[in-house]
Amino acid sequence: DILLTQAPLSLPVTPGEPASISCRSNQSLLHRSGDNYLDWYLQKPGQSPQLLMYLASNRASGVPARFSGSGSGTDFTLKISRVEAEDVGVYYCMQVLQTPLTFGRGTKVEI
Amino acid sequence: EVQLMQSGAEVKKPGESLKISCKTSGYTFIPYWIAWVRQMPGRGLEWMGVIYPADSETRYSPSFQGQVTISIDTSISTAYLQWSSLKASDTAMYYCARHGVYGDYASYLDKWGQGTLVTVSS
Repeated sequence: DILLTQAPLSLPVTPGEPASISCRSNQSLLHRSGDNYLDWYLQKPGQSPQLLMYLASNRASGVPARFSGSGSGTDFTLKISRVEAEDVGVYYCMQVLQTPLTFGRGTKVEI
Repeated sequence: EVQLMQSGAEVKKPGESLKISCKTSGYTFIPYWIAWVRQMPGRGLEWMGVIYPADSETRYSPSFQGQVTISIDTSISTAYLQWSSLKASDTAMYYCARHGVYGDYASYLDKWGQGTLVTVSS
């Protein structure tokens, strides 16, 4: 199975300040198409997960522009340019290159 | 509007059977894979497996192979997750979710159900 390691596991943030989460894979997630098969999700407290980014760097519909994703191969990053109070929750990366599809352990972002 | 509406919370005893559902609406059911994801209390997300409504093909995570069964009823655009003999360790929230690329489970989960809480206790 592909192992995804997120860091940090807990991230205290200050509104208006930037934040960054790392996701590292033990195998390359670069598909022969040239896309990286890595997605990001946010699970707000008491809610179902919601898609933030797909194919590493594409914002999902309705996701604010303060969110950005980058990386290739085995190293990926989710950045929030200026954190807002509504961004609190647990962020997960997920690889969809190979079954079983796997998630990182999650990064809890709190103010 | 695309919606995945899951059945309500369940409380069961060890050894009992259970089938929970995920009724979809707002899109064409057939060409999109449906996944089931487990979240144990206070823990992260685990992909259990998927089903393709076009031909009922299923893929399971090895961790869940033989432990659960994923099925569908295309006539009512609904997916199911079932257990034949529950264990206390099956206590968790279960989410259904749609893989968002037509005909491809190697894709993001763009729509999620609200979750079904399953509690197994004697």
